[in-house]
Amino acid sequence: GESVGLHLPTLSVQEGDNSIINCAYSNSASDYFIWYKQESGKGPQFIIDIRSNMDKRQGQRVTVLLNKTVKHLSLQIAATQPGDSAVYFCAENQDMRFGAGTRLTVKP
Amino acid sequence: NAGVTQTPKFQVLKTGQSMTLQCAQDMNHEYMSWYRQDPGMGLRLIHYSVGAGITDQGEVPNGYNVSRSTTEDFPLRLLSAAPSQTSVYFCASRGPGGGNQPQHFGDGTRLSIL
Repeated sequence: GESVGLHLPTLSVQEGDNSIINCAYSNSASDYFIWYKQESGKGPQFIIDIRSNMDKRQGQRVTVLLNKTVKHLSLQIAATQPGDSAVYFCAENQDMRFGAGTRLTVKP
Repeated sequence: NAGVTQTPKFQVLKTGQSMTLQCAQDMNHEYMSWYRQDPGMGLRLIHYSVGAGITDQGEVPNGYNVSRSTTEDFPLRLLSAAPSQTSVYFCASRGPGGGNQPQHFGDGTRLSIL
């Protein structure tokens, strides 16, 4: 079946650098996408969302980009901090499915 | 705000035992769901409910039962636990707006089946 997936399972960045986490989706009917952050021992926490009528949405230090042509979205984290270390998931509303996640590690 | 509360946080069962994982939310959300999270496989949907009295199966429903007698509570039952059900279980709820709202997750129940 169609599902949401991620390109990279792990990402390691230096503190202060920008991070980019990618996600591919298969269901062209999906019209709402969400990024979650999951810290160790905790449940996923909402970060930012985007609807399919938008290409870009910005939050505090985070930006989500949506490319519907290639069914791809990305999460950009500016000036990455140690507190950003976590697993990041993308999700879409049609299949209610999550990818395996990308583990972001921030090196001091 | 309490949000989504799951109990217990940890549990160890023997094969064949039964158990109910509790989930409660205080946000008056109609939609609630249960996921299991296994290493390298992300979150998989077990069952969900769009309101009191209504439940439906997700991607991996076998071995699990649910009921929704109130808006606040959505318990997940394992009738005869199996080692394959060792996992971390997350409950979530979502506000109005159909599927165009993020889900709010509890902090999970870590379940081991021996």
